[in-house]
Amino acid sequence: AQTVTQSQPEMSVQEAETVTLSCTYDTSESDYYLFWYKQPPSRQMILVIRQEAYKQQNATENRFSVNFQKAAKSFSLKISDSQLGDAAMYFCAILGGTSYGKLTFGQGTILTVHP
Amino acid sequence: DAGVTQSPTHLIKTRGQQVTLRCSPKSGHDTVSWYQQALGQGPQFIFQYYEEEERQRGNFPDRFSGHQFPNYSSELNVNALLLGDSALYLCASSGLGGLNTEAFFGQGTRLTVV
Repeated sequence: AQTVTQSQPEMSVQEAETVTLSCTYDTSESDYYLFWYKQPPSRQMILVIRQEAYKQQNATENRFSVNFQKAAKSFSLKISDSQLGDAAMYFCAILGGTSYGKLTFGQGTILTVHP
Repeated sequence: DAGVTQSPTHLIKTRGQQVTLRCSPKSGHDTVSWYQQALGQGPQFIFQYYEEEERQRGNFPDRFSGHQFPNYSSELNVNALLLGDSALYLCASSGLGGLNTEAFFGQGTRLTVV
């Protein structure tokens, strides 16, 4: 079984500034994948970034990057140069290597971006 | 290329009734998973369909059932609706029997039980 914990119910950032969202997880599997999803008011879950646990290098996607600390079971998301369109609910999720597409999500963090 | 489509977008039902939600996966995807998302919470896995069979199931009662058709589309059925079933229901599809780790989500069906 996997668990995901997001300890920040809400975060806010000024436009153009940097913000970091926290996530910790637990799993008994040696092979797994970690994700950050964004859910705007339109409700559609959009993949932001993905990290394979076997890769030591932190994933980056344009303004989005992660800090993956495998031993600490920590997976934080850094958003640089924040934009108004980044405002949304962000979910951290884990997929076990034997889970065949079954995602376990955290409780989410609401991100507000101030102009 | 159409992504994952769900219907209807909104639904209001009375306690005790039955409801059917529908999902068409992204083209080329063969695995469909359903999630329930209560207001302000993260999605919870209900079950997954692959090759027209339920392959995995989360901690949901038997009132929740589903089906997958030969064209990979899927239905979620909920019987004897309770007020607590009010939620956003998300469908996600993935390829390669779920071995493709990227899941694509639909916009969800907002179910309100009154």
